[in-house]
Amino acid sequence: EPEVTQTPSHQVTQMGQEVILRCVPISNHLYFYWYRQILGQKVEFLVSFYNNEISEKSEIFDDQFSVERPDGSNFTLKIRSTKLEDSAMYFCASMKLHNSPLHFGNGTRLTVT
Amino acid sequence: AQKVTQAQTEISVVEKEDVTLDCVYETRDTTYYLFWYKQPPSGELVFLIRRNSFDEQNEISGRYSWNFQKSTSSFNFTITASQVVDSAVYFCALSRSKNSGGSNYKLTFGKGTLLTVNP
Repeated sequence: EPEVTQTPSHQVTQMGQEVILRCVPISNHLYFYWYRQILGQKVEFLVSFYNNEISEKSEIFDDQFSVERPDGSNFTLKIRSTKLEDSAMYFCASMKLHNSPLHFGNGTRLTVT
Repeated sequence: AQKVTQAQTEISVVEKEDVTLDCVYETRDTTYYLFWYKQPPSGELVFLIRRNSFDEQNEISGRYSWNFQKSTSSFNFTITASQVVDSAVYFCALSRSKNSGGSNYKLTFGKGTLLTVNP
């Protein structure tokens, strides 16, 4: 069964550094998302992406965050200047049609030191 | 605004017991979708079920069953004859539907319930 793939599984970076989290959504899916889960807390929506543009972003998704779909397969989340509080599990997700099941990747655990 | 409340932070049971995880939601939409996801200790989010708001039939899948009560805005999840492998955090989630003007179908998650099944 096709799945959403995220790399790396764990990334450690120093405060102030830029990181890029990579995702390969399921190939025939049209809607793409990033969610974040701070350790022990609930999963929070960051941003949705459809038709090559951001369709909605949360208040968490400030100017230090950006997303790109540089080619037909990858979907990336960039954090320009990481802060300690950016440490979390970041989940990529994709969906084929509106309100079809949302498929999550296994997540990237980001640790900012 | 949408909200999902999972009042049970942690539940601990002994193997073979039945356990019900509660989920209460708030939405102004007349149509919406409800979901349950499982997050095992390895961290991934595993899709369990999606329920449309105009389908109030309860659903059973093996040892899992879901009770959707629109009148009380609840979508509870029962595991029958629990097993150690059921130990995980379970999240209930809510999204708008296209009929309610939703355009990106993002999920609003509850805080999750940590279920521990002891042998």
